[in-house]
Amino acid sequence: RKEVEQDPGPFNVPEGATVAFNCTYSNSASQSFFWYRQDCRKEPKLLMSVYSSGNEDGRFTAQLNRASQYISLLIRDSKLSDSATYLCVAARRGYQKVTFGTGTKLQVIP
Amino acid sequence: AAGVIQSPRHLIKEKRETATLKCYPIPRHDTVYWYQQGPGQDPQFLISFYEKMQSDKGSIPDRFSAQQFSDYHSELNMSSLELGDSALYFCASSSKAPGLAGVGSYEQYFGPGTRLTVT
Repeated sequence: RKEVEQDPGPFNVPEGATVAFNCTYSNSASQSFFWYRQDCRKEPKLLMSVYSSGNEDGRFTAQLNRASQYISLLIRDSKLSDSATYLCVAARRGYQKVTFGTGTKLQVIP
Repeated sequence: AAGVIQSPRHLIKEKRETATLKCYPIPRHDTVYWYQQGPGQDPQFLISFYEKMQSDKGSIPDRFSAQQFSDYHSELNMSSLELGDSALYFCASSSKAPGLAGVGSYEQYFGPGTRLTVT
């Protein structure tokens, strides 16, 4: 079992739709969490960090549930430009190693 | 804003040859990470350096080695290349400055990658 797991998708959604991704992590020592997006053959780009209280950045909302060990990302009003692979990342406090999930592919359809 | 720089962007080598990939982190970032991403796979952590010392080790083959220099740039040396080493190699950097959450921030910023093809 991978340390960070995601539904690979693809999620095909129409423009304007709301879509949610979940990610589970198995290492309870994980302390910091992030969402990255990666376009085909490009580098992962940091989308947002995930804080215990949850955080929002425009159309994107991230939530952390430590008890259930999962992280979520909600995208509202999907745009064509949101089409990408979304990578969930967990990091352990005091260490510099982070673990990536396998990614969830999103395709927004006109 | 300055980003992570990697060179070369593309590299073609033959089996059993050696390759050296270079990474220049964002200014004032003190930690460098190396990742390998095969086709259709997620980035696999190889190794990281903090203040020029190896800080963590992942799935890096013994044929590979890396170091971080006094100017914080890092090099990944790959020897006895195999066909399976063909992949995108990303470098990322981060700073341990406290983030909004009041804890050390491990937000990593990635370079554009080096595409290595072994023939």
